[in-house]
Amino acid sequence: SQKIEQNSEALNIQEGKTATLTCNYTNYSPAYLQWYRQDPGRGPVFLLLIRENEKEKRKERLKVTFDTTLKQSLFHITASQPADSATYLCALGGAAGNKLTFGGGTRVLVKP
Amino acid sequence: NAGVTQTPKFQVLKTGQSMTLQCAQDMNHEYMSWYRQDPGMGLRLIHYSVGAGITDQGEVPNGYNVSRSTTEDFPLRLLSAAPSQTSVYFCASRHSGTSVAYEQYFGPGTRLTVT
Repeated sequence: SQKIEQNSEALNIQEGKTATLTCNYTNYSPAYLQWYRQDPGRGPVFLLLIRENEKEKRKERLKVTFDTTLKQSLFHITASQPADSATYLCALGGAAGNKLTFGGGTRVLVKP
Repeated sequence: NAGVTQTPKFQVLKTGQSMTLQCAQDMNHEYMSWYRQDPGMGLRLIHYSVGAGITDQGEVPNGYNVSRSTTEDFPLRLLSAAPSQTSVYFCASRHSGTSVAYEQYFGPGTRLTVT
């Protein structure tokens, strides 16, 4: 069955450093991958989308890579700030697009 | 725009009771979906709809019904609540069309406890 794994342990990082999160998947050939941010008690908010034929995407301090050979996406937050503290979810979608499958999320805590 | 709205925010039910979770969006999105989120399990798709009158099952549909009579509304019905349905429920919507990779907009969630 399809499986998406994100590190369930919280990532503690010092302000100003780069946070790197991983999203690994098995038994899946996604057409695209999305990353969302979720704050406590709130719904997820879309951050970035990367398609299977793209290697890297950037948006401000965020960078996503997508390696379909390794079946892995990396999500980077550069120059991290305490306001970046949240849970980050990756989600994979197929070519048909009607079902988005989410990983369990990784909590990031940026300390001042 | 209000985006995606959900009511109620919190609900406590007794086993066997029924209820409807409401979801509405004002972005004219064709696609709407319901997820449940449990600790360590991520978001799991319950049901989705690609337009008014069209619904389909997701990963965990048992115990839930949906209907889509208008583009704006997509209610989720619990027919006979069970403790296993204790969870946080999120409604989401997005455009559909030639590109299926549109971002999803999520509502604020409904926290449901079944005793």
